[in-house]
Amino acid sequence: EAGVAQSPRYKIIEKRQSVAFWCNPISGHATLYWYQQILGQGPKLLIQFQNNGVVDDSQLPKDRFSAERLKGVDSTLKIQPAKLEDSAVYLCASSGPFRVSPLHFGNGTRLTVT
Amino acid sequence: DAKTTQPPSMDCAEGRAANLPCNHSTISGNEYVYWYRQIHSQGPQYIIHGLKNNETNEMASLIITEDRKSSTLILPHATLRDTAVYYCIVRVPSEVNTGNQFYFGTGTSLTVIP
Repeated sequence: EAGVAQSPRYKIIEKRQSVAFWCNPISGHATLYWYQQILGQGPKLLIQFQNNGVVDDSQLPKDRFSAERLKGVDSTLKIQPAKLEDSAVYLCASSGPFRVSPLHFGNGTRLTVT
Repeated sequence: DAKTTQPPSMDCAEGRAANLPCNHSTISGNEYVYWYRQIHSQGPQYIIHGLKNNETNEMASLIITEDRKSSTLILPHATLRDTAVYYCIVRVPSEVNTGNQFYFGTGTSLTVIP
């Protein structure tokens, strides 16, 4: 089966600019996650969708980050305006329907804010 | 917060078995153990998971002690491509896979030496 697709792979922007990341989960996976991974740390959950509804966005900095999953498939994560501390890898993951289903990750978008 | 403890780094000779330990002394009866690895510039890759029985798949074996307070991931014949950060995670399966349950911590950096 095809894996989780993410684009772009790399993005460099200046602080205060905006940026958007795109994710296409594994076909049939209803649950989609966005994680942020800062260099040297493990991934940290930003937001979780079940179909097109938000399950958990408690760790999403809502003053600058937004995410949507309009048709319950693809998702977009946006940052506006970006700060230097947003430099990180943004990972998208999806999981299957079973209670023990593992998360499957894409290769992420590496964002550098200058 | 992390419910697991892993050594920060390990080395293994190519062709030998790599045994990666994980301590989860506070694990509860319904929590599963999951292992992921992350190769440089890629997203985390699911390896294996288990509850109390030993598990084996094409990638690795998972050995869980009888008291379930620790586990070992075994890569039977390590190759240079196995050089990665390995994460051990414990979680309780739920009706909706909650992303926060997959707490990655900082993992073990495994280096396979030629």
